[in-house]
Amino acid sequence: DAGVTQSPTHLIKTRGQQVTLRCSPKSGHDTVSWYQQALGQGPQFIFQYYEEEERQRGNFPDRFSGHQFPNYSSELNVNALLLGDSALYLCASSPGMNTEAFFGQGTRLTVV
Amino acid sequence: LAKTTQPISMDSYEGQEVNITCSHNNIATNDYITWYQQFPSQGPRFIIQGYKTKVTNEVASLFIPADRKSSTLSLPRVSLSDTAVYYCLVGVGGGADGLTFGKGTHLIIQP
Repeated sequence: DAGVTQSPTHLIKTRGQQVTLRCSPKSGHDTVSWYQQALGQGPQFIFQYYEEEERQRGNFPDRFSGHQFPNYSSELNVNALLLGDSALYLCASSPGMNTEAFFGQGTRLTVV
Repeated sequence: LAKTTQPISMDSYEGQEVNITCSHNNIATNDYITWYQQFPSQGPRFIIQGYKTKVTNEVASLFIPADRKSSTLSLPRVSLSDTAVYYCLVGVGGGADGLTFGKGTHLIIQP
């Protein structure tokens, strides 16, 4: 059983560009959450999707948006990239809200 | 959301028992306590979750006193591969929903 898979694993973008990161949840999981982890910090919650709707959102600007598809996979979009957006972006899935989260390996985004 | 406080770093040796304590003074009645482990360049991995008293699984034990204002993660007979960052989270249902992880405890195991 494949766990949570994220693509791409690494990405380099230029300031001002837009980026889309993708996540496939663990089989049987319908809830997907996204986190941003800067170097030396713990993961910060961005938002959570359940039944194709954003259910919770952390303290991130509107430049961060997402989507969940009928097959439960999800995308994270970041517009107008800033240097400070450079981080490891983690996707986590769970079999419902407020249950154990399974994390992917993350996408390392570098903004230059 | 309940704020947690845990040591920034800890050192121990192979074969020892390691206890990492987390303080969460304003934990709510319906909050659970959950611990995650993270290795470099990997996503966090669920270790254990509890509400009160003691919980044990194949990798760790979690001790929660009656007032629930703190909790202690106990790792028995650690090995070099237990070197990682350990995060304590407090929230509804025991998941990581809506929770921002703190800086965690960087545990270093030496031979």
